[in-house]
Amino acid sequence: EDQVTQSPEALRLQEGESSSLNCSYTVSGLRGLFWYRQDPGKGPEFLFTLYSAGEEKEKERLKATLTKKESFLHITAPKPEDSATYLCAVQVPLIKAAGNKLTFGGGTRVLVKP
Amino acid sequence: NAGVTQTPKFRVLKTGQSMTLLCAQDMNHEYMYWYRQDPGMGLRLIHYSVGEGTTAKGEVPDGYNVSRLKKQNFLLGLESAAPSQTSVYFCASRSALAGFYEQYFGPGTRLTVT
Repeated sequence: EDQVTQSPEALRLQEGESSSLNCSYTVSGLRGLFWYRQDPGKGPEFLFTLYSAGEEKEKERLKATLTKKESFLHITAPKPEDSATYLCAVQVPLIKAAGNKLTFGGGTRVLVKP
Repeated sequence: NAGVTQTPKFRVLKTGQSMTLLCAQDMNHEYMYWYRQDPGMGLRLIHYSVGEGTTAKGEVPDGYNVSRLKKQNFLLGLESAAPSQTSVYFCASRSALAGFYEQYFGPGTRLTVT
């Protein structure tokens, strides 16, 4: 069974204190790993897609990396506006049907204090 | 360009009542999805569609029906609501073009069934 596990569940940071979030996965036929940001009361907002081990993507203070078994989301010198829940999802083929589906992890709640 | 919109934003139903949630996207995307998000369970796929006039079951389809009569709209129906269907519902869409696999989410509908 496909599994996506995110750690830690919650992270409290001081402004400027860099840290990393982990997403580990065991899936058959990975067709992409996605990072999303979700603010309270809102829908997930797309951040990055990673397709192959060794790939890296950056956006402002965020950097996502991918290995064969896990992905990391590095937050460099975070600001209070980076506070959100960060979701990891893997795209895998659907069983008994055409197309793919996203399997999500439980998310990491990040709070950045000024 | 509004992206993905959902109607209504909030709804309270009594057990046994029916309702329809509407999702609309203006990005000309082929694929559309309905998810539910529950504490501790993450986002789970209910139903999806790979094109106008097509629908298919996801991970948790029981108690829901869907229709995709127009490419830009994807409707989720609850024929006889149950308290277990209390959740936040998200619609998402994505392109069918190779290399554009990220899904874009709507703002969500918070449904309470009493």
